[in-house]
Amino acid sequence: NAGVTQTPKFQVLKTGQSMTLQCAQDMNHNSMYWYRQDPGMGLRLIYYSASEGTTDKGEVPNGYNVSRLNKREFSLRLESAAPSQTSVYFCASRGMSGRALNEQFFGPGTRLTVL
Amino acid sequence: DAKTTQPNSMESNEEEPVHLPCNHSTISGTDYIHWYRQLPSQGPEYVIHGLTSNVNNRMASLAIAEDRKSSTLILHRATLRDAAVYYCILRDVGGGSQGNLIFGKGTKLSVKP
Repeated sequence: NAGVTQTPKFQVLKTGQSMTLQCAQDMNHNSMYWYRQDPGMGLRLIYYSASEGTTDKGEVPNGYNVSRLNKREFSLRLESAAPSQTSVYFCASRGMSGRALNEQFFGPGTRLTVL
Repeated sequence: DAKTTQPNSMESNEEEPVHLPCNHSTISGTDYIHWYRQLPSQGPEYVIHGLTSNVNNRMASLAIAEDRKSSTLILHRATLRDAAVYYCILRDVGGGSQGNLIFGKGTKLSVKP
């Protein structure tokens, strides 16, 4: 199992450009999450999807949109990037039974710089 | 959401036990206590969780105070690989937020050889 994978690993954008961060999991998990982490800070929840077909806002959703494409994939889109969105973005997933019920599994992150 | 308080940083010597404290005085009955850690340049990883009783797994032990207002993560023999930021998180499984995790700044653990 690859677990949670994210693409790209690094990205540099200019202010106003758009891009989509991709996330996929192969653990058959129902819930998926997008977080951002600014330097020296903990992670903050942007959006989450409790199940295929549903998405909900987290703590810091402004400037972002998400799509739960299917059970495996959850993408994060920046329509018009701003320097304040420079951050490391983490995707995570969680299952509904056993060990996966109580544990979020995180991807390796995408480092985004907006100039 | 209930909050946790942790020291900003701690130091340990290799092969010695480490006790990482966490205060959560406003914890509710449906809050589970979760610990995650984040190694440098990686995503967080689950360490352990508990509700009322002390818990052990292959990575660590979790000691929960009788009144549940504080807990301690115990690494029995610290290794250099344990140097990370450790997050103590309360997860509400009784609310409507799908039991989402709310991360604070955590405790940065340094391990000296």
